[in-house]
Amino acid sequence: GAVVSQHPSRVICKSGTSVKIECRSLDFQATTMFWYRQFPKQSLMLMATSNEGSKATYEQGVEKDKFLINHASLTLSTLTVTSAHPEDSSFYICSARDSGQESQPQHFGDGTRLSIL
Amino acid sequence: GQNIDQPTEMTATEGAIVQINCTYQTSGFNGLFWYQQHAGEAPTFLSYNVLDGLEEKGRFSSFLSRSKGYSYLLLKELQMKDSASYLCAVKGSNYQLIWGAGTKLIIKP
Repeated sequence: GAVVSQHPSRVICKSGTSVKIECRSLDFQATTMFWYRQFPKQSLMLMATSNEGSKATYEQGVEKDKFLINHASLTLSTLTVTSAHPEDSSFYICSARDSGQESQPQHFGDGTRLSIL
Repeated sequence: GQNIDQPTEMTATEGAIVQINCTYQTSGFNGLFWYQQHAGEAPTFLSYNVLDGLEEKGRFSSFLSRSKGYSYLLLKELQMKDSASYLCAVKGSNYQLIWGAGTKLIIKP
């Protein structure tokens, strides 16, 4: 159980393109989903917390107009990187936690490797 | 401030035992997690401690001392596939995870 599906796994696109990444909880409901970014050889960096039916909470230094988050249902959150530039190239990972299970671990999707040319 | 410390890198021999330490200073404590992350992949959940003591799960065990703000992950009978980064994360007072920088474990034959 507790499977999180993230799509696509890899994106290569030109500078200025907007890229949408989907994160789905397949066998549980997730009121809250988390979006992380990880640069090579660095640790996970939380970008934002996605709350179903309400606005996402962004970490300091993360531009909410550039990284658009939509969490329209209990099983789906999307992250859109708008007008992506080479410096946005990174490994983006989502995670989700079963609703009402605060003590349970976050389960991660497989990540999306974004390369902006 | 909130802080989680773990060694940057460790090296161990195949078949041996290794202990990865994690110390934390957080505002509130609602559990400590260990995750394994292979290069280029997403983290996978290993263990969870919320009470003091040792949790054993196969070759992996995790220990917690809340009074000392300390945890360790113990890996026994090391295999080459255990080469990965091991991330310590603490759930603080607002139930958000605070992540350590990770310990890169290198297993040598």
